[in-house]
Amino acid sequence: QSVLTQPPSMSAAPGQKVTISCSGSTSNIGNNYVSWYQQLPGTAPKLLIYDNIQRPSGIPDRFSGSKSGTSATLGITGLQTGDEAHYYCVTWDFSLSAVVFGGGTNLTVL
Amino acid sequence: QVQLQESGPGLVKPSGTLSLTCAVSGGSISSSNWWSWVRQPPGKGLEWIGEIYHSGSTNYNPSLKSRVTISVDKSKNQFSLNLNSVTAADTAVYYCARGRHTAVAGSASIWFHPWGQGTLVTVSS
Repeated sequence: QSVLTQPPSMSAAPGQKVTISCSGSTSNIGNNYVSWYQQLPGTAPKLLIYDNIQRPSGIPDRFSGSKSGTSATLGITGLQTGDEAHYYCVTWDFSLSAVVFGGGTNLTVL
Repeated sequence: QVQLQESGPGLVKPSGTLSLTCAVSGGSISSSNWWSWVRQPPGKGLEWIGEIYHSGSTNYNPSLKSRVTISVDKSKNQFSLNLNSVTAADTAVYYCARGRHTAVAGSASIWFHPWGQGTLVTVSS
């Protein structure tokens, strides 16, 4: 059972927009920054968003992040078949004194 | 640009010790970064194992803390993971990653980039 809750799976059509939620508590998301990762099949995770809203260089602006209270959201617009992947949220948890991952969301683009 | 590469045995016997090394290239392990280990059991999500700073300071996942040791070798620009008393539940792909930690007005910012390609470790007799 992950400390951060994500929907296990989502699906959307090419060209559409999807938002992936990550729900936590005041000991983690509520008081810390969130990062997001994309894991394509058979590959290592890749950083998509850090500090809630920042995109590393090379990440297209189709990917965006936001945070409100104890929840964070990853948005993807103009969906492409190449966006089919697992997406994970990450933050620090003060109570656990540990890095915590969401359970991951399997995004299907069909 | 910094690159990371994991290495170590792909098969470990139950009750034995899992030992992996992550070689850092394109940058110094003594830079202002934390160096982390993350694992992923087959078909499951990601789990943070722990991290080390070049000074030797460490943080560990409380659920694994009693079995984990992470160390750094600055002369070789690499860091290592030891996980003892392994069982089949420790079978996973193990990733190393560079972590960035900052604190802004009391809020922690943590993110991992880049990652190694990962190495599968199977615990089996």
